[in-house]
Amino acid sequence: EAQVTQNPRYLITVTGKKLTVTCSQNMNHEYMSWYRQDPGLGLRQIYYSMNVEVTDKGDVPEGYKVSRKEKRNFPLILESPSPNQTSLYFCASSFSGVTQYFGPGTRLTVL
Amino acid sequence: RKEVEQDPGPFNVPEGATVAFNCTYSNSASQSFFWYRQDCRKEPKLLMSVYSSGNEDGRFTAQLNRASQYISLLIRDSKLSDSATYLCVPFKAAGNKLTFGGGTRVLVKP
Repeated sequence: EAQVTQNPRYLITVTGKKLTVTCSQNMNHEYMSWYRQDPGLGLRQIYYSMNVEVTDKGDVPEGYKVSRKEKRNFPLILESPSPNQTSLYFCASSFSGVTQYFGPGTRLTVL
Repeated sequence: RKEVEQDPGPFNVPEGATVAFNCTYSNSASQSFFWYRQDCRKEPKLLMSVYSSGNEDGRFTAQLNRASQYISLLIRDSKLSDSATYLCVPFKAAGNKLTFGGGTRVLVKP
């Protein structure tokens, strides 16, 4: 089954404790991206990657890191999470960067 | 002005009725448009793509007005399962840029 998976689905953590949210897709898509969704602000792109070892900033990259060492994986790293990073996070993959296939989401709470 | 503006709703719709809502966009360079559907706290899923003046898929019709820079979505014969938030997404090929609107919430009631 073609899918994008994210882990964990839910996470409660404390300020400053490094965390990684994993994302994996099995569709051989070159294009992957991370979004955060906040009430009233819609989906905002954090980072995207057009291929292995190629990443670039989206609209709200501050406080986040990504890596793309393999085509199927695109982890999101929060080196020192802060409460304003409490949000719903979606990973997405795409063949061309246009039609996005989203993962199920990760609900992150930073205390 | 926001790049993409949508009435957040909710639009309360009797089952079987027709509902339509608009999305306005500020960037005239947007070339394609997409409507995504998002159920509560779940991932968005592509509903419809619009590359020219409009598109129709079953009970759903999208119409694009480039002169006035808006795109509409019309749902005919609404079903209870149509209750969701509908996200408008303009696409610019330059920079491969998708911009998501905040969404319009539709509630279909018996």
